[in-house]
Amino acid sequence: EVQLVESGGGLVQPGGSLRLSCAASGFGFSAFGMHWVRQAPGKGLVWVSLLNADGSSAMYADSVKGRFTISRDNAKNTLSLQMNSLRAEDTAVYFCARHGGGVSHGALDIWGQGTMVTVSS
Amino acid sequence: EIVLTQSPGTLSLSPGERATLSCRASQSVSSDYLVWYQQKQGQAPRLLIYGASNRATGIPDRFSGSGSGTDFTLTISRLEPEDFAVYYCQQNDYSPRTFGQGTKVELK
Repeated sequence: EVQLVESGGGLVQPGGSLRLSCAASGFGFSAFGMHWVRQAPGKGLVWVSLLNADGSSAMYADSVKGRFTISRDNAKNTLSLQMNSLRAEDTAVYFCARHGGGVSHGALDIWGQGTMVTVSS
Repeated sequence: EIVLTQSPGTLSLSPGERATLSCRASQSVSSDYLVWYQQKQGQAPRLLIYGASNRATGIPDRFSGSGSGTDFTLTISRLEPEDFAVYYCQQNDYSPRTFGQGTKVELK
């Protein structure tokens, strides 16, 4: 079964750090780019970051640039998001999602169930 | 940044009715890179339509997408009870990737 499972969410104080993980299974992880997308409580989806298949090229939303770092370990089929200098406005469910290949032109075709990050004192 | 504006914000309909959802881009987007997702309460989004008009695997044919340039449409021909959800459009043509704010299809 193709699956993405996020972990690492929790409560953190403003200015703190957190590292999210996304474990992939059921497909050739090293062949696909991977995204992080977040959703604040009661709000819409917001794209956060994209990392290409071999980990050599990353893109970030302006709101997280310089604070968040996306990375991957293809040997362990794991995607990570290191989040530093966290702010209250980073509070959200964080989803990892697969960058679809071929004719889907990068549609996010597989999603994890999400992990909640709460930034509060 | 490309802004995607979805309308209406909420659509109140009954099962069996037709739903028409709009997504307008602030500048032209290649049809290849326009995507629609469905999200039910408490769940992760699910890919519905890619390339503006191609149904993803397992998506019923009552869902269809159309459009080009700056105007795109998702149509649900006859609403089933499981279709009441929030629908998002997204563009993958430019960075940053952007989503519309969503259209909620609710039971009338």
